[in-house]
Amino acid sequence: GAGVSQTPSNKVTEKGKYVELRCDPISGHTALYWYRQSLGQGPEFLIYFQGTGAADDSGLPNDRFFAVRPEGSVSTLKIQRTERGDSAVYLCASSLTGLVGDTQYFGPGTRLTVL
Amino acid sequence: AQKVTQAQTEISVVEKEDVTLDCVYETRDTTYYLFWYKQPPSGELVFLIRRNSFDEQNEISGRYSWNFQKSTSSFNFTITASQVVDSAVYFCALSKDSGNTPLVFGKGTRLSVIA
Repeated sequence: GAGVSQTPSNKVTEKGKYVELRCDPISGHTALYWYRQSLGQGPEFLIYFQGTGAADDSGLPNDRFFAVRPEGSVSTLKIQRTERGDSAVYLCASSLTGLVGDTQYFGPGTRLTVL
Repeated sequence: AQKVTQAQTEISVVEKEDVTLDCVYETRDTTYYLFWYKQPPSGELVFLIRRNSFDEQNEISGRYSWNFQKSTSSFNFTITASQVVDSAVYFCALSKDSGNTPLVFGKGTRLSVIA
């Protein structure tokens, strides 16, 4: 079956602009996660959804970052007034139940470059 | 707070050599899960294994094996008879806490297998 998909694969923007990153999870997966991976680092948690609601957004670095999942499937990560420090690969993952220990399956990521 | 340490930043081996990737974790939870993921040059994180804290049996899957030792808080990964296709960055990860499912990742170990 289809895995997690993310669009766009690459996004280049200018400092101060607004961007949206999209994630389409595996069909039937109730939990969806966003992570950010900087060069040479492991992924860092941003936010996770159980269904339509954000169950944990403690990883969002500041209020410029926001994410939604209005119908419990596709999610959009939104970044306002982008800064050069936001440049990273943004990874999305989904899991079937979201219960502790449930395996998370990752998408290919969106590489964001802020000039 | 949960923490995962992968002390080996980069490892280089010649094809057919065995190689062990180290992972040490810190947690106060009694119930937790550990994971290994592979990130090949294409960038997509590929799930390899999940292990819960109550199961200390070692696991073997083909050329891959994992050694989980709670006494030393380690979950090491061994590749036997390495191949060029094993070249990738490998991440060890820990479930965030017993009531929450986001993962805490180590910084990864870059493995290069030379023909």
